[in-house]
Amino acid sequence: KAGVTQTPRYLIKTRGQQVTLSCSPISGHRSVSWYQQTPGQGLQFLFEYFSETQRNKGNFPGRFSGRQFSNSRSEMNVSTLELGDSALYLCASSLEASAKNTEAFFGQGTRLTVV
Amino acid sequence: GNSVTQMEGPVTLSEEAFLTINCTYTATGYPSLFWYVQYPGEGLQLLLKATKADDKGSNKGFEATYRKETTSFHLEKGSVQVSDSAVYFCALTRGSQGNLIFGKGTKLSVKP
Repeated sequence: KAGVTQTPRYLIKTRGQQVTLSCSPISGHRSVSWYQQTPGQGLQFLFEYFSETQRNKGNFPGRFSGRQFSNSRSEMNVSTLELGDSALYLCASSLEASAKNTEAFFGQGTRLTVV
Repeated sequence: GNSVTQMEGPVTLSEEAFLTINCTYTATGYPSLFWYVQYPGEGLQLLLKATKADDKGSNKGFEATYRKETTSFHLEKGSVQVSDSAVYFCALTRGSQGNLIFGKGTKLSVKP
């Protein structure tokens, strides 16, 4: 079966712009989580969506937002980009809402560079 | 708060050497523990997991045992291969908060 698909794979944006990243989960998976990966901070949780509702949110400013559609596809948006937003953004999907009991499958990520 | 600490790398080994990557955690209650692996240019893949104390997770020759008394989940493999070269992440989830909390990652390089 198809895995988690993230688009685009690479993105270059200018400070102050906004960006939207997309994630298509594995068919049948209803939970989508987003993580930011940087060399300095490692992997940090952004937010989780389940059945179109945000269930959980990490410690990121309000410039980071997301949503989930009825087909479970998810988008995350970052407004007023800063240089420090340069990172690999990873999306993970799972059948249920908790990684505790179900495996989280990760996409290859979107590499965002802010210049 | 909840956190994961794992040994810093990089770790460089020769093929067929024994591997240990240390991981300790801080969490209230009874977290589930995971090891994920990230190959170059790829996302993360679940390597193994353990959901309660004394559980042993195993996969592809890798093993880790959930030690509540030492709050540890060390990753081991008896004989590494060049193809095991990757970054390894220890992680936990706790309670109803299903998000994963990751360690900083340990880069492993295996030389032929």
